[in-house]
Amino acid sequence: GEDVEQSLFLSVREGDSSVINCTYTDSSSTYLYWYKQEPGAGLQLLTYIFSNMDMKQDQRLTVLLNKKDKHLSLRIADTQTGDSAIYFCAEILYSSASKIIFGSGTRLSIRP
Amino acid sequence: DVKVTQSSRYLVKRTGEKVFLECVQDMDHENMFWYRQDPGLGLRLIYFSYDVKMKEKGDIPEGYSVSREKKERFSLILESASTNQTSMYLCASSPTDREDGYTFGSGTRLTVV
Repeated sequence: GEDVEQSLFLSVREGDSSVINCTYTDSSSTYLYWYKQEPGAGLQLLTYIFSNMDMKQDQRLTVLLNKKDKHLSLRIADTQTGDSAIYFCAEILYSSASKIIFGSGTRLSIRP
Repeated sequence: DVKVTQSSRYLVKRTGEKVFLECVQDMDHENMFWYRQDPGLGLRLIYFSYDVKMKEKGDIPEGYSVSREKKERFSLILESASTNQTSMYLCASSPTDREDGYTFGSGTRLTVV
């Protein structure tokens, strides 16, 4: 079946690293995504990783993919108050040309 | 530079009304989507469209219909609004190249009273 799972909440101290985890079920996924949703806004694409990659780094963001375990993580280094948002993990289904399946989102809150 | 525009940020409608939610994209994307977002449930796909005049049901199409008469515009229609359709509605579009993902609008928060 199609399912993307992630924990609902994460709280970190400002300046620490945040790690948001996600598991997915479709082994044929070609791309996996991380989206960010700030309060009152739509979703914004943060980064994506192709399924033949293990890691992708973009400034403070590091994406790790463990294809064997179907596990995806997003690490945010030096977490700032502006990183407070809901983060959605998503996979694209090979069987449906452009259909992306989203997780339920992880709400990241920052403690001073 | 706004690329996916939803016509209203907030809407309040009465039970039984016919409601139109409009979405326009200026990126010449082939694919367009309507989701609803509810706390703890994430995003649930209502309908999507791969081309003009084409539509496919998503996971929760009941109580909704859609219209895509032009490539840039994808309308979501609530035939007879009910209180359980109170939600945040998100429109998205994407090109056929998969790695681009989706571009989302800012959302419409609909309240049905």
